[in-house]
Amino acid sequence: GAVVSQHPSWVICKSGTSVKIECRSLDFQATTMFWYRQFPKQSLMLMATSNEGSKATYEQGVEKDKFLINHASLTLSTLTVTSAHPEDSSFYICSANQLTYEQYFGPGTRLTVT
Amino acid sequence: ILNVEQSPQSLHVQEGDSTNFTCSFPPSNFYALHWYRWETAKSPEALFVMTLNGDEKKKGRISATLNTKEGYSYLYIKGSQPEDSATYLCAFMGNNFNKFYFGSGTKLNVKP
Repeated sequence: GAVVSQHPSWVICKSGTSVKIECRSLDFQATTMFWYRQFPKQSLMLMATSNEGSKATYEQGVEKDKFLINHASLTLSTLTVTSAHPEDSSFYICSANQLTYEQYFGPGTRLTVT
Repeated sequence: ILNVEQSPQSLHVQEGDSTNFTCSFPPSNFYALHWYRWETAKSPEALFVMTLNGDEKKKGRISATLNTKEGYSYLYIKGSQPEDSATYLCAFMGNNFNKFYFGSGTKLNVKP
């Protein structure tokens, strides 16, 4: 139980284009979903927290207009990297929880912007 | 920014060796400490959630202890096996209990 999927697992895009990453809870309804980013040899850094049907809460320093988060249902959240640039290249990973303080993670998405 | 530190950054051991790593965190406003095991190309897998000072949890050959007063947790692996090779992450959760603050992980490589 408590499986979270993420799609795609890796993506290469050209500078200036937008990329959408999906995060799905497969066997439970997620009250909250989280998006993290990881730079090489660094820790997972929380980007934003989203609750179904409401606006995401972004961490300090994360650009809302650059990283659009939509939490349309209790099983799906999407992160769109808009007008991507090479510095947006990173590993993005989502997690979800269900009325507890445990978080269940997806396998992550490797984004490379050329 | 809340600082969670893990040491060592990486560890190479022989099969059968026992090993341990450390997670340090600020002792104030503590709610829970999570340990995850993360294999390449897979989702991080939850190992333990620890909340009480002095907690000790065990799962097979893996165990963890918690000291909330001084702000550290140890993860122990007894008789390491090659399948234990992974990155072990700890995550601190404070009283705003929805947020995790991760350490940078300890990468364990167990040689057969």
